This record gives sequence, C-alpha cells and structure tokens, in this order.
Amino acid sequence: NAGVTQTPKFQVLKTGQSMTLQCAQDMNHEYMSWYRQDPGMGLRLIHYSVGAGITDQGEVPNGYNVSRSTTEDFPLRLLSAAPSQTSVYFCASSYMGIYEQYFGPGTRLTVT
Amino acid sequence: GENVEQHPSTLSVQEGDSAVIKCTYSDSASNYFPWYKQELGKRPQLIIDIRSNVGEKKDQRIAVTLNKTAKHFSLHITETQPEDSAVYFCAASNGNQFYFGTGTSLTVIP
Repeated sequence: NAGVTQTPKFQVLKTGQSMTLQCAQDMNHEYMSWYRQDPGMGLRLIHYSVGAGITDQGEVPNGYNVSRSTTEDFPLRLLSAAPSQTSVYFCASSYMGIYEQYFGPGTRLTVT
Repeated sequence: GENVEQHPSTLSVQEGDSAVIKCTYSDSASNYFPWYKQELGKRPQLIIDIRSNVGEKKDQRIAVTLNKTAKHFSLHITETQPEDSAVYFCAASNGNQFYFGTGTSLTVIP
C-alpha cells in the first residue's frame, strides 16, 4: 500500500496563478481532508469529505476549492494564489472522522 | 466552532524524566482526541488517541488522560529518550472536523 500520496512536493507560484494539489489514498478510506500548516498555528482544516460526492468547508476554506469524484482522490484547487497561501499543505485520510488519520508527505507551496 | 488550546509551547526535559503536555477544548460534542508527533520536515503521525467514553489509555511509555467534565486532556511520556524530541499536537474531533492545538516542541536533553 502506498498510503496517502501527494503531488507535487514543492511548488512556487506567482500571485494570481491557479493550481491543483493532488491527493490520493489506496486504503479505501471514506474520510479525506486538507490542512495547511503555518509556523505557530498548528494544522488548520481547509476542506473535508466524508465520501465520494460529499465535501464541506473546514476552518479556513476561503480561496480553495475541492471535489471528490472518487473514493481515492481528493484534489485541492487554489483559484487565484495569494502570498497568504504560502504554507505547507497536508492531505489526510481515515476510515471515518473519529478514527486515526493518515497524513500524506505534504506539499510546500510558496506564492511570490 | 471548536477551540483547542495546548500548553506549553516548548518543553525541555532531561533524558529519563517525564513530560506532560496539556490541551483544553471548548465543544462538548467533541468525542475523539488524538495526539500526533511530527519530526522536522516530516508528516504528523498518530502516537495515541482516546475516545470520550474512556478516561485513560496507555501504550508503553505513553499515556493519555481525558476529563470530559473539565474539557481537558493530557499526554504523558515517561522515561523520555532523545528520539522523543519532536513537535506534538493534540486534536479534537466531533466526527466531521478535526481541530488541532498549536503544538508543543519537546526537547529531550541527553
């Protein structure tokens, strides 16, 4: 099992550009989520999904979109990148929202 | 929404001593409380978790206690070793959303 995979590992964007961070899991988990991690702020939930076709907003959803067309994939889209979105992004999955979350390796994003 | 506070933000202990990290939460609907360890440049990894129907859970040198009435839970690491040095995060979940504390940087001095 590959577990949770994320691509790319690193990305530099210019302000206003858009991009998609990819996340996939091969554990047949229903629950998937996206977090951003900033120094001193811990992990903050951006969006989450409790199954294919179902998504909802987390704590800091502005500027990000998600979709969940399959159980395996949960891409995160940045619509118009801003310097405030410079962060490390982690995708995670779990059987349900009250079970262990498995995190991907992270994507380090810099917006200039 | 939920608010999770974590203390202390940094903690230094001598090898072999115990370390305690405390978290409080505000939403009584939270029912799952995991603890994650994150080494520098790595992903968070679960080290122990507890559900709201349990008061204490232990796994070798690591234990977690939960006081639902006071809305706080704590991580206890005994006989600390240098490899325990990392950032530790508590979290609270209501079954849909996870809320994380801001982390404790633990340094174990050999």
